[in-house]
Amino acid sequence: GQSLEQPSEVTAVEGAIVQINCTYQTSGFYGLSWYQQHDGGAPTFLSYNALDGLEETGRFSSFLSRSDSYGYLLLQELQMKDSASYFCAVTRAAGNKLTFGGGTRVLVKP
Amino acid sequence: GAVVSQHPSWVICKSGTSVKIECRSLDFQATTMFWYRQFPKQSLMLMATSNEGSKATYEQGVEKDKFLINHASLTLSTLTVTSAHPEDSSFYICSAGGGSGNTIYFGEGSWLTVV
Repeated sequence: GQSLEQPSEVTAVEGAIVQINCTYQTSGFYGLSWYQQHDGGAPTFLSYNALDGLEETGRFSSFLSRSDSYGYLLLQELQMKDSASYFCAVTRAAGNKLTFGGGTRVLVKP
Repeated sequence: GAVVSQHPSWVICKSGTSVKIECRSLDFQATTMFWYRQFPKQSLMLMATSNEGSKATYEQGVEKDKFLINHASLTLSTLTVTSAHPEDSSFYICSAGGGSGNTIYFGEGSWLTVV
């Protein structure tokens, strides 16, 4: 079957750095995406990795190792507004169909 | 601004009635759209793939006769929850890919409450 594992919850203080790991086992792999979702809202796209390495977008970076079936999302200079759930998702085939991980709830404290 | 629009955002209906949710791609044509369901504090679960001009493809365990999907144009897919029951109360979200790169856009989501 398909599975994506990520921690359920992380708590950190403002200004800190948080790394959310995601390991996956899927039949077929095109790329790993990360989405942010605030309570009551829809997911918003953060990043996408199709190749090994680090992708940096402002305070957020994402990493992928295809050989290890592993990726992570790095949140730097945490702000209160970063409190949300973060989902990793695998694109298993062409056509943008996503399989999501269980989500990591990030709580940022003052 | 939003590139995928979903309507309605909130809907309350009585048990046994049907509810239709629309998903529109605003700036691009989408031959394929996806419908997800998300229960509180859980992840998004893919329900079905909506294919323009042909039948939807449903994920295992999703009742195709209960969740009717129609993708009649390149910019509109609809999900109809038929004979709704309280256990169908959930957050329903559509997505579509478009433009350049691999960005997938999600609609704003629709909260369905069945009473």
